[in-house]
Formats: sequence, C-alpha cells, structure tokens
Amino acid sequence: DTAVSQTPKYLVTQMGNDKSIKCEQNLGHDTMYWYKQDSKKFLKIMFSYNNKELIINETVPNRFSPKSPDKAHLNLHINSLELGDSAVYFCASSQGGTGNTEAFFGQGTRLTVV
Amino acid sequence: DAKTTQPTSMDCAEGRAANLPCNHSTISGNEYVYWYRQIHSQGPQYIIHGLKNNETNEMASLIITEDRKSSTLILPHATLRDTAVYYCIVRVAPLINDYKLSFGAGTTVTVRA
Repeated sequence: DTAVSQTPKYLVTQMGNDKSIKCEQNLGHDTMYWYKQDSKKFLKIMFSYNNKELIINETVPNRFSPKSPDKAHLNLHINSLELGDSAVYFCASSQGGTGNTEAFFGQGTRLTVV
Repeated sequence: DAKTTQPTSMDCAEGRAANLPCNHSTISGNEYVYWYRQIHSQGPQYIIHGLKNNETNEMASLIITEDRKSSTLILPHATLRDTAVYYCIVRVAPLINDYKLSFGAGTTVTVRA
C-alpha cells in the first residue's frame, strides 16, 4: 500500500484554468504538507496542516487554496493557473512536527501550464 | 534554522562506501541533523537523523563531529539505485510550530558501475 498518494501524477492545463491535486496518506499521521519543486529543483514548503488546521502558509498566492477534509487528506486547489505555476508538487505527511520525526513524501504531481 | 553547505556533486564506485560531507558551522545545541534523498522523478525519502551521537540504520550511517559543526553520511556499499540528490538539513527539536523542512541544493551523487 502506498503511504502517501497523490493524484493525478501528471496534469497539463491551459492558463486561466482551475485545477485540483488530491493527496491521501494512510499512515495515521496528523500533519500534512504541500511542497513545490520548481525547474531549478529547489523544494519549498507551501502549506502545512496539523489536525486539519492550517499551521504554515509560506506567502503563497491566494490562488492556491489547500483544503483538509480530514487528517488523512490534504487537497490543493489552484485558481486561474499561470505559466509560473508549472512545477512538481509534492504532498508529505508526518506525525507531529518534523523536528524529530521523519516526513513521508508522495511521488509528486507534475503540473504543466501551457 | 542553521544553514548547511554541501558539495554540488560527487561520484562514487558501485560497491564502495560513499561519504557525503555536510558543514553546519552555525548549528545550535537543540538542532538535529537530517538527511533525505531524492531519486530522479520521485519524492524525497528520509534516510537518517541525529543530534550528537553517531547513528546507524539499515540505509546509512551518520557521523557527527564532536563540535557538531559538520557531519558525514555514509552509504556503506553504494549501488546504482543510490544515485540521487542527497539533502543535509538542520532542524530544531520538536516545537509546537516546527512543521517544515527547508531543503537546500543538496549533493548530486552518481554511482558508477
């Protein structure tokens, strides 16, 4: 069983569209994250949720709206997609903060905006 | 979080030990050293972490110097599947709002047959 799964794996869409990426973890973790990896390969945190509550929002444009319906899911909705949103988006989870625990990452969603 | 410095890239031979250095000279007493790796087209994968003692698990060993200003990740018998970008991250011990990992550029390790 995949611990952290994201769908879709690939997403190609036109500028201006709205799209969602789904993430589910079956590890029983209470904290979930979204990271963005741009073309230069730097991984940057976007959001983190603990027990469905937003903990971190790293100055991400408000076109990006995470939604956590329960502890096992953290979805990412993106409005009015722009070319610069093209990147690989990774979902991750951990038990509690990552100070002394490991984080598990999904396989990524490659978003291409044309 | 303390900053880390890693070599941009390194090669190693299959079957030999790979020693990956990391400098973290501004590390403070309550910061852990973490290692993650990212194999091409996959999500990052946790390898190991430690505070001040050396640590070993089924994947690797972590050697932290006595002054904690640097550390070395050791892959004891590198295989072609170990080719990846390796990230050294320094993190504060668990605090209420400690919920993020800050990834740098990492070291691109290429294992050659």
